[in-house]
Amino acid sequence: GAVVSQHPSRVICKSGTSVKIECRSLDFQATTMFWYRQFPKQSLMLMATSNEGSKATYEQGVEKDKFLINHASLTLSTLTVTSAHPEDSSFYICSGTVQETQYFGPGTRLLVL
Amino acid sequence: GQQLNQSPQSMFIQEGEDVSMNCTSSSIFNTWLWYKQDPGEGPVLLIALYKAGELTSNGRLTAQFGITRKDSFLNISASIPSDVGIYFCAGGTTSGTYKYIFGTGTRLKVLA
Repeated sequence: GAVVSQHPSRVICKSGTSVKIECRSLDFQATTMFWYRQFPKQSLMLMATSNEGSKATYEQGVEKDKFLINHASLTLSTLTVTSAHPEDSSFYICSGTVQETQYFGPGTRLLVL
Repeated sequence: GQQLNQSPQSMFIQEGEDVSMNCTSSSIFNTWLWYKQDPGEGPVLLIALYKAGELTSNGRLTAQFGITRKDSFLNISASIPSDVGIYFCAGGTTSGTYKYIFGTGTRLKVLA
């Protein structure tokens, strides 16, 4: 299977600061990557589709100005949570697709104090 | 956001028993994927299904793509303690960009 990495694995930040999460495809090129958010004991909710070289597509209800996505290369997508607040604390997971199959990164746990 | 109906929500089973879970939707999907997620980790792909009616096995796991393309099931035979975790189905659809909608999850606990 394809390998996806995320960095950092966990981060704690103060309210009002911005946090950047990186998602890398290690052994394949990903023109499209996906960002999900998962709250405790809940399923994965798609936040946005990250497209290499173009703007991301956000799901309904996800603020594009708050969750900035950049997909500058075929192996790297970044998600920046701007002006983070405690309610943004969650588990953020990215994925890349190979032949219609999604492979996930290990996730990043964000805690905003 | 949209989610698929997955059942059961949770289950306790004895080690050695078989387990069955399913996912249903009102929408048609082109692919179905099944994942297992351990606490604090990303989902790991178990089985991928690409064709209606397809039945695929991966060790003790067997999954089927429903003939109507609106459902899928996963069976685990002879469960072992390490099968504990949360299992998610995901239906894949192409509407411009290919993307997946996830099920609500089945939490499995195996009693030794």
